[in-house]
Amino acid sequence: AQSVTQLGSHVSVSEGALVLLRCNYSSSVPPYLFWYVQYPNQGLQLLLKYTSAATLVKGINGFEAEFKKSETSFHLTKPSAHMSDAAEYFCAVSDRTGNQFYFGTGTSLTVIP
Amino acid sequence: NAGVTQTPKFQVLKTGQSMTLQCAQDMNHNSMYWYRQDPGMGLRLIYYSASEGTTDKGEVPNGYNVSRLNKREFSLRLESAAPSQTSVYFCASSDLGGRAGDTQYFGPGTRLTVL
Repeated sequence: AQSVTQLGSHVSVSEGALVLLRCNYSSSVPPYLFWYVQYPNQGLQLLLKYTSAATLVKGINGFEAEFKKSETSFHLTKPSAHMSDAAEYFCAVSDRTGNQFYFGTGTSLTVIP
Repeated sequence: NAGVTQTPKFQVLKTGQSMTLQCAQDMNHNSMYWYRQDPGMGLRLIYYSASEGTTDKGEVPNGYNVSRLNKREFSLRLESAAPSQTSVYFCASSDLGGRAGDTQYFGPGTRLTVL
């Protein structure tokens, strides 16, 4: 089965600082990779996804992620954190052999004013 | 366009009671999913339906049943609720499913407590 590992269940950054949320995947075939964001008491919404086109993927709200096959990573970054970025972030993977999506355990981002 | 809707938003059950969680999508999507979200465990797939008329088990199907009533609706049933089923339940849909790397769209969730 596919899996994703998110390093760091809690990350705190100062407002204006770089945001880096880590995600590593395991997949025997080229995967599809996703980052979702969940605000308190809401469902998940897509930030960005990688589907084997450009390795650097730009998403909403200034976020981007880079697919690195050699490192099996898909880390999420944003150059300058905003207070509104405080939320839970989930990395997810699917592959071309199955219908399922596999989610990481999530990283809670706190932005300190 | 309401997207994915779920009812109820909140529910409290006693151990042994049964209930059905309802999910509907108005995006004409083929695939639908039920997840549970527990602290520190992310989202775990309970059941999914790749297309109307088909259902398959996910990672944690025990204690649950599903029905894909039509293309729009996918319900999740707890026959005899247990405290271990206290969780937040999310329904999701996608047009083409994981095989095609399609985006999933999520409902707002149902917060279930089993006493």
